[in-house]
Amino acid sequence: EPEVTQTPSHQVTQMGQEVILRCVPISNHLYFYWYRQILGQKVEFLVSFYNNEISEKSEIFDDQFSVERPDGSNFTLKIRSTKLEDSAMYFCASSVAAGSLPQHFGDGTRLSIL
Amino acid sequence: AQKVTQAQTEISVVEKEDVTLDCVYETRDTTYYLFWYKQPPSGELVFLIRRNSFDEQNEISGRYSWNFQKSTSSFNFTITASQVVDSAVYFCALLSGAGSYQLTFGKGTKLSVIP
Repeated sequence: EPEVTQTPSHQVTQMGQEVILRCVPISNHLYFYWYRQILGQKVEFLVSFYNNEISEKSEIFDDQFSVERPDGSNFTLKIRSTKLEDSAMYFCASSVAAGSLPQHFGDGTRLSIL
Repeated sequence: AQKVTQAQTEISVVEKEDVTLDCVYETRDTTYYLFWYKQPPSGELVFLIRRNSFDEQNEISGRYSWNFQKSTSSFNFTITASQVVDSAVYFCALLSGAGSYQLTFGKGTKLSVIP
């Protein structure tokens, strides 16, 4: 069964450094998403991406965050200058079509900011 | 605004018992979608079911069943004859609003099935 793949599984970064989280969505999916889950808390929406542009973003997704689809397969989340509070599990998801169809999630990248 | 409430933070049951996980949602939209996801200890999010607001039929899949009641804005999830492998955090999620793409998750219910 096709899967969403995320790398790395764990990223440790010094505060203030830039970090890029990578995702390979399911190949025939057209909509891509990033969510985060701070330890022990609920999953929160960050951003959705379709047709090479952001279609929706939350208040969490401020100027420190950006997303990109640099080629036909990868989807990346960049945090420009990490803060301690960025420590969380980051999930990438994809879906065939707009929101009503299930979003399939990757295994997540655990980001630890020191 | 959309909101999902999972009032049960943690539940423990003995293997083979039935267990129901509650989910109450809030939305002003008439068209919306409800989901359940499972997060096992390994951390990934596994899609379980999707239900749209126009389909109130209950659904059964093996030992899993879902009860959707618009009158009470609830979408409850029952596991029959629970097994240790069912131990996980279960999240209920809502997607609503024309052109919206974001899932709104509840805080999750941690289910522990004791052998």
